[in-house]
Amino acid sequence: DQQVKQNSPSLSVQEGRISILNCDYTNSMFDYFLWYKKYPAEGPTFLISISSIKDKNEDGRFTVFLNKSAKHLSLHIVPSQPGDSAVYFCAASGVTGGGNKLTFGTGTQLKVEL
Amino acid sequence: GAGVSQSPSNKVTEKGKDVELRCDPISGHTALYWYRQRLGQGLEFLIYFQGNSAPDKSGLPSDRFSAERTGESVSTLTIQRTQQEDSAVYLCASSPGGGMHYGYTFGSGTRLTVV
Repeated sequence: DQQVKQNSPSLSVQEGRISILNCDYTNSMFDYFLWYKKYPAEGPTFLISISSIKDKNEDGRFTVFLNKSAKHLSLHIVPSQPGDSAVYFCAASGVTGGGNKLTFGTGTQLKVEL
Repeated sequence: GAGVSQSPSNKVTEKGKDVELRCDPISGHTALYWYRQRLGQGLEFLIYFQGNSAPDKSGLPSDRFSAERTGESVSTLTIQRTQQEDSAVYLCASSPGGGMHYGYTFGSGTRLTVV
């Protein structure tokens, strides 16, 4: 049962344009959502998070949007840079997730082309 | 150290052998997690330690898998009688506990290959 879904395994965007990565979840008890970025041969690194009491959180070039009624969140990167090329994981936590346990999606490989 | 340290970084083992993976969390982090990522898949939760509470072992795939943590320090993940499907990158992470605002800090992982 995949509770956090990233339906696009890959995305290709031109440098300077906007990258939009999407994530859907099924468990309505999730109350905190995070995005992680992963380069090859490295562990995932925390990028940005959002609480369920908000619908938007912005940090520099990165903005996360949460639509609770649709159980959907998205990560916007603008402008996209070649260094943003990585795998992006969406993750969620909540009461039913067991304390601070995160449930991850399968990831989206972003490629930013020159 | 400043980050989460895992060893070894790579391990090749023969099917049926036991392996032990080590994780040194960030000092002061009360919570420690083990995940694994098999080829082409997402991160799969294995086990979670929080302070002196009983660990959440709900993600361990079989009784061949076990993990221990001494206090709030080092953790070891042991896989007995390894199988080829155990091949994966095993990731350890730690967090200060409490809220999830900053998520976890992951180590670089141990790439386990069972031949």
